[in-house]
Amino acid sequence: DVKVTQSSRYLVKRTGEKVFLECVQDMDHENMFWYRQDPGLGLRLIYFSYDVKMKEKGDIPEGYSVSREKKERFSLILESASTNQTSMYLCASSLGTGGPNQPQHFGDGTRLSIL
Amino acid sequence: DQQVKQNSPSLSVQEGRISILNCDYTNSMFDYFLWYKKYPAEGPTFLISISSIKDKNEDGRFTVFLNKSAKHLSLHIVPSQPGDSAVYFCAASAGNQFYFGTGTSLTVIP
Repeated sequence: DVKVTQSSRYLVKRTGEKVFLECVQDMDHENMFWYRQDPGLGLRLIYFSYDVKMKEKGDIPEGYSVSREKKERFSLILESASTNQTSMYLCASSLGTGGPNQPQHFGDGTRLSIL
Repeated sequence: DQQVKQNSPSLSVQEGRISILNCDYTNSMFDYFLWYKKYPAEGPTFLISISSIKDKNEDGRFTVFLNKSAKHLSLHIVPSQPGDSAVYFCAASAGNQFYFGTGTSLTVIP
């Protein structure tokens, strides 16, 4: 079974801090994704990556950056945290080979509160 | 603008009856559709998918129907069980990017 592990389940940070959310997958998947989930808005894509050192902006990249130095690890960075970034953050991975239509496997999420 | 819409935020069904969850989309380029199930404090888990070349896909108690002309997707659960109580998200993709609906919270009453 695919395992996507997010480093923290709950995180509380202060406005202006630089925040790192870490995600590791153990199935050698090429694609990795960061979403945020907010009530009434569903899951919105922040950034995704097709390969090491590659990244693409999703629908809401403002205020975020990402890093993918190794295939199994995808980090989301809040450069200067703000209260409107309080949310549930979900990491996902999917197989890149065999065509684009592969389901994504999600971690359990990080509930981030910015005070 | 939301490209994938789930217009019913919640649904309650008696145990043993059919649950029907609906999803509409706007982009005719979407060629792959999925349903995910999410329990509280867990990430979404993949449930079932369908390619745009098909109009139905079954997996046990779960069936997904696709009506391309109406740009409409539905998930049928028969028979519904209390363990099916969760939030269900539909998703659509064109290429590697996925678009998710806002979710429907299903409650199956014993």
